[in-house]
Amino acid sequence: AQSVTQLGSHVSVSEGALVLLRCNYSSSVPPYLFWYVQYPNQGLQLLLKYTSAATLVKGINGFEAEFKKSETSFHLTKPSAHMSDAAEYFCAVSGGGGFKTIFGAGTRLFVKA
Amino acid sequence: GAVVSQHPSWVICKSGTSVKIECRSLDFQATTMFWYRQFPKQSLMLMATSNEGSKATYEQGVEKDKFLINHASLTLSTLTVTSAHPEDSSFYICSARVATGGGNSPLHFGNGTRLTVT
Repeated sequence: AQSVTQLGSHVSVSEGALVLLRCNYSSSVPPYLFWYVQYPNQGLQLLLKYTSAATLVKGINGFEAEFKKSETSFHLTKPSAHMSDAAEYFCAVSGGGGFKTIFGAGTRLFVKA
Repeated sequence: GAVVSQHPSWVICKSGTSVKIECRSLDFQATTMFWYRQFPKQSLMLMATSNEGSKATYEQGVEKDKFLINHASLTLSTLTVTSAHPEDSSFYICSARVATGGGNSPLHFGNGTRLTVT
């Protein structure tokens, strides 16, 4: 079975500050991990994915995430927040039979001017 | 590339009627599509996996007779909410994975359908 835990339903940062969104996963098979972003009343867009290659993954809009097997974590970071980064962020895991993708509860990012 | 079109973007219907939501992969083939339901300020709940040419696989607790899924071609899956009730009001999102992609391939999402049942 697979699961994803996102720590913190809300994160608030100032514009220009570091963004850190936490994600821990559980998987009985080697996981594929993803971060998606959702803007209001829209579907999800892929930010980045980990597929067992490099453990540090760079995505779009300056985001990156590091896969740490020992910590079962895949935290998302961005050095400098921008107002346009305000959105809902979902960590997800897939793998195993059917390749179903399981999503975390989401973290809403607020960016203060 | 990898665009998923979902239609309609919003729909209001009366209690007891049925509503059909379409999900199309515009520039790729998708043997598998996934239907999610999202409640306000909550995560996505997987409802069912739609398989081209075969029956959908429903998640535990999802009524297959209420949420009818048809995946008649490699580019189209439909979700029909039958005899809708106010508690079916929600945001429904479809997604698809490129046919040749495995579990390491990302999902491509439609923009969702806001269903309101009055």
